[in-house]
Amino acid sequence: GAVVSQHPSRVICKSGTSVKIECRSLDFQATTMFWYRQFPKQSLMLMATSNEGSKATYEQGVEKDKFLINHASLTLSTLTVTSAHPEDSSFYICSARGRDGGDTQYFGPGTRLTVL
Amino acid sequence: SQQGEEDPQALSIQEGENATMNCSYKTSINNLQWYRQNSGRGLVHLILIRSNEREKHSGRLRVTLDTSKKSSSLLITASRAADTASYFCAQQWRAARQLTFGSGTQLTVLP
Repeated sequence: GAVVSQHPSRVICKSGTSVKIECRSLDFQATTMFWYRQFPKQSLMLMATSNEGSKATYEQGVEKDKFLINHASLTLSTLTVTSAHPEDSSFYICSARGRDGGDTQYFGPGTRLTVL
Repeated sequence: SQQGEEDPQALSIQEGENATMNCSYKTSINNLQWYRQNSGRGLVHLILIRSNEREKHSGRLRVTLDTSKKSSSLLITASRAADTASYFCAQQWRAARQLTFGSGTQLTVLP
């Protein structure tokens, strides 16, 4: 149980385009999902906290108009990187916390974004 | 966010040896968690230790927590080549809130 999927696993796009990444909890309902970014050989940095049915909470330094987050249902959150630039190339990972409010987060397999 | 520090940054050992990784953090925590990440992949949750616990075991893993020193260690005993991965500690400042990850340790286990 507690499986989180992400789609796509890899995406290559041209500079200026927008890319949408989906994060789904497959066998549980997630009231809260988290979006992280990881640059090569670095740790995960939290970008935003996504709560179902409300606006996301962004970490300091993360542009909310550039990284649009939508958590429209208890099993799906989406991250849209708008007008992507090469510096947005990174590994984006989501995690989900179940409705039981437990402390464990379940991570998706990540999405590798490359902006040319 | 207050990112914790891990050391060593990289560790290379022979199969069968034990591997110890350390994690330090800056403020009080509700719990600390250890994760494993294979290259280019997602994270796998290994173990969670709460602030009122001092030691926890799970198979070949042993985690300790010293809240007075704001530090934790992960010991992998009898390591295997398949243990090769990056290991991250993550602090949860308040229950069920976001995680703050440490800098990670790259472990290489040589066959």
